[in-house]
Amino acid sequence: TQLLEQSPQFLSIQEGENLTVYCNSSSVFSSLQWYRQEPGEGPVLLVTVVTGGEVKKLKRLTFQFGDARKDSSLHITAAQPGDTGLYLCAGHTGNQFYFGTGTSLTVIP
Amino acid sequence: DVKVTQSSRYLVKRTGEKVFLECVQDMDHENMFWYRQDPGLGLRLIYFSYDVKMKEKGDIPEGYSVSREKKERFSLILESASTNQTSMYLCASSLETSGRARNEQFFGPGTRLTVL
Repeated sequence: TQLLEQSPQFLSIQEGENLTVYCNSSSVFSSLQWYRQEPGEGPVLLVTVVTGGEVKKLKRLTFQFGDARKDSSLHITAAQPGDTGLYLCAGHTGNQFYFGTGTSLTVIP
Repeated sequence: DVKVTQSSRYLVKRTGEKVFLECVQDMDHENMFWYRQDPGLGLRLIYFSYDVKMKEKGDIPEGYSVSREKKERFSLILESASTNQTSMYLCASSLETSGRARNEQFFGPGTRLTVL
């Protein structure tokens, strides 16, 4: 079983649409990261959230950490083809670091 | 910017060969990690190291060993490669922090290993 479950697993949308990706767990995390990975490349860190309820914005991307620090969401406004990739959440708890199952996003021009 | 480099982007080896994958980071990070990534299975931790000459098994260490002789370099060794070790291998590093740590990991570009 995965400690961090992401949904949806796959998402294909038209350019200009909005979308939300979810990262859920029953565990509490001291910090949570979101990464984007393009095909054939390593994951690239997008953001870290550490405080329950925290919201961070990165251009058209909005990240939220749940109040209880068990879940997070990533919202993309007006998606562009350059947003295509695998989105991974990762949580840190104790001495452990866990990756989510990933959401594969395709934005069609 | 943190830079993590891996010795090869693509590698093709034969069953039974000894394979070395090297990873170098230039930001003086204490922690280094080796993962493999497979479709449907996500990222799985093979080994990690929190200091020179120190190593800890991850979730799937069988068939692998590691070496960390210098702080900036972390090597993954496949003693006798098998076809089920065909995968994307990712190296990462992070700063050692305490307390309510950010623990951000920085990844290399990956090595796609094919074992025939």
